[in-house]
Amino acid sequence: SQELEQSPQSLIVQEGKNLTINCTSSKTLYGLYWYKQKYGEGLIFLMMLQKGGEEKSHEKITAKLDEKKQQSSLHITASQPSHAGIYLCGADIGRGAQKLVFGQGTRLTINP
Amino acid sequence: EPEVTQTPSHQVTQMGQEVILRCVPISNHLYFYWYRQILGQKVEFLVSFYNNEISEKSEIFDDQFSVERPDGSNFTLKIRSTKLEDSAMYFCASSVQGSHQPQHFGDGTRLSIL
Repeated sequence: SQELEQSPQSLIVQEGKNLTINCTSSKTLYGLYWYKQKYGEGLIFLMMLQKGGEEKSHEKITAKLDEKKQQSSLHITASQPSHAGIYLCGADIGRGAQKLVFGQGTRLTINP
Repeated sequence: EPEVTQTPSHQVTQMGQEVILRCVPISNHLYFYWYRQILGQKVEFLVSFYNNEISEKSEIFDDQFSVERPDGSNFTLKIRSTKLEDSAMYFCASSVQGSHQPQHFGDGTRLSIL
């Protein structure tokens, strides 16, 4: 079965600093999704990556999928308090699969 | 922006009772899903539903669980004979297509079994 491992598990950064969260898969990724979860709330879709080498940005968040399609990174530039939360990567486990498997999440805290 | 809505936000039930968790997916979406997240653990897939039938289910989704789309807008998860270990956050999600499309999640129902 496919497993996703995220690192780090938790991250504390000072407001204004850059940060990176990684997601590594045990198998080739057919689709990789980044979500943000606030405590006690649902998952908010951020970005989807499908092609090796693909990179997408939304506001100050950039996500990349490496060429071999087994690792993705999420980079936040000039972090703000609104970026705080739990970041989850999720993956399509195969062609035509209709379910996502998730990493364990990275808890991001932004200190003023 | 359209969103997935779930009710109730919190459900407390005695062990052994049946519960029904309700979801209204995004209106033009065709695929519906249930996931659960036990406190401190990963989000886990339970079931996907398309064209009024289950298309995939996990090992967790045994005979204790069932899903239904009783009308054109609602999508429900029924859990029979609840157990303590069923306590979790249950998320409903929907997508336009079944794969390679983002799934949009509701805010979840926190189920507490006493």
